[in-house]
Amino acid sequence: NAGVTQTPKFQVLKTGQSMTLQCAQDMNHEYMSWYRQDPGMGLRLIHYSVGAGITDQGEVPNGYNVSRSTTEDFPLRLLSAAPSQTSVYFCASSYSGRGDSPLHFGNGTRLTVT
Amino acid sequence: TQLLEQSPQFLSIQEGENLTVYCNSSSVFSSLQWYRQEPGEGPVLLVTVVTGGEVKKLKRLTFQFGDARKDSSLHITAAQTGDTGLYLCAGYGSGGSNYKLTFGKGTLLTVNP
Repeated sequence: NAGVTQTPKFQVLKTGQSMTLQCAQDMNHEYMSWYRQDPGMGLRLIHYSVGAGITDQGEVPNGYNVSRSTTEDFPLRLLSAAPSQTSVYFCASSYSGRGDSPLHFGNGTRLTVT
Repeated sequence: TQLLEQSPQFLSIQEGENLTVYCNSSSVFSSLQWYRQEPGEGPVLLVTVVTGGEVKKLKRLTFQFGDARKDSSLHITAAQTGDTGLYLCAGYGSGGSNYKLTFGKGTLLTVNP
């Protein structure tokens, strides 16, 4: 049982480049989300989805796009990378997205923008 | 935005000692979760508390949810080196904040042998 799989594990981008962080889960969870983790800032919610075709913004959505075409996949797109987007990105999923079900996290993508 | 303040931010203790980590907010949370994160990995859920005043025990870890559902604590008895990690509290707000889990900044615990 793979759980939540994130690729790549590491990525270095130059300012202005674009890329997509991949996230896939095999638990048939309806809810998926993206967080970024920065030193001293904790985990901050970027975007989330409560099901295929439905997405919404979190606390820090600017500079990021998402889509949810299937239940399994929830990619995060950076259209024009900036140094401020240097961070560790975590994808997470849960059955309902509410307090009755825990979030299952991937092992993160460490992104550096130079 | 509902904020969760964790204290202390850093904690370094010797094996066998007891410790308590606090998670406080001015907002009411419908439920609160505690996660533990190890280097290079994502957070892993330890417990969910839902009812005000609730106490849950997980081996040497005791979790308490405040009566007003605004605060929580994690107490570890006789800490072991394997308890080392980043402890995060996270809460779902009441009314309108479903689906948005807010995290505290975490407490980095180091247990020395």
